[in-house]
Amino acid sequence: EAGVAQSPRYKIIEKRQSVAFWCNPISGHATLYWYQQILGQGPKLLIQFQNNGVVDDSQLPKDRFSAERLKGVDSTLKIQPAKLEDSAVYLCASSKGPGELFFGEGSRLTVL
Amino acid sequence: AQSVTQLDSQVPVFEEAPVELRCNYSSSVSVYLFWYVQYPNQGLQLLLKYLSGSTLVKGINGFEAEFNKSQTSFHLRKPSVHISDTAEYFCAVSDGGAGSYQLTFGKGTKLSVIP
Repeated sequence: EAGVAQSPRYKIIEKRQSVAFWCNPISGHATLYWYQQILGQGPKLLIQFQNNGVVDDSQLPKDRFSAERLKGVDSTLKIQPAKLEDSAVYLCASSKGPGELFFGEGSRLTVL
Repeated sequence: AQSVTQLDSQVPVFEEAPVELRCNYSSSVSVYLFWYVQYPNQGLQLLLKYLSGSTLVKGINGFEAEFNKSQTSFHLRKPSVHISDTAEYFCAVSDGGAGSYQLTFGKGTKLSVIP
């Protein structure tokens, strides 16, 4: 079974530029999550989708972050414009049951 | 609101020695509890989970954890560690009743196994 795919693995941008991350969940997993993991901290939930609907985006900084999950499969997370404090690893996860999240390898963003 | 406290940010231990990584949680409702492991430059992998039933939960790679409701703890243990166990370990809690399956993570504990 293929795992959660994410791209790109690494991205370096200047502040105020934009960036997009892509995630393809495990086939058949209805729930998809985006987490932000800042160095030295645990992952923090940004947004949760159930199929193509948003379940929770209360911690998503909506002035600069956006996410979509068209057709209930893959998802894109965008940051525009980026700030220095957005430097982090962006983890995508999918699940089909209670807490059994399967994570991708993450996309590491460095904002200079 | 739920929260997770991992009491140790770093734990060094000699190879073949036992280890315990501590986790305490706070929640006003019933909970599901989890331990995840993260190897360098990789995503998180589920080690074990407690949803209900027996309070002693066994996971992969010889790890186990015990759910203690009165002490709101879910400590992770392994009787004999290997070099390959060097990684960061995250405790997480989910609201067992809401069905949204969101996880709140602790800040992590870096386990370093010394040869």
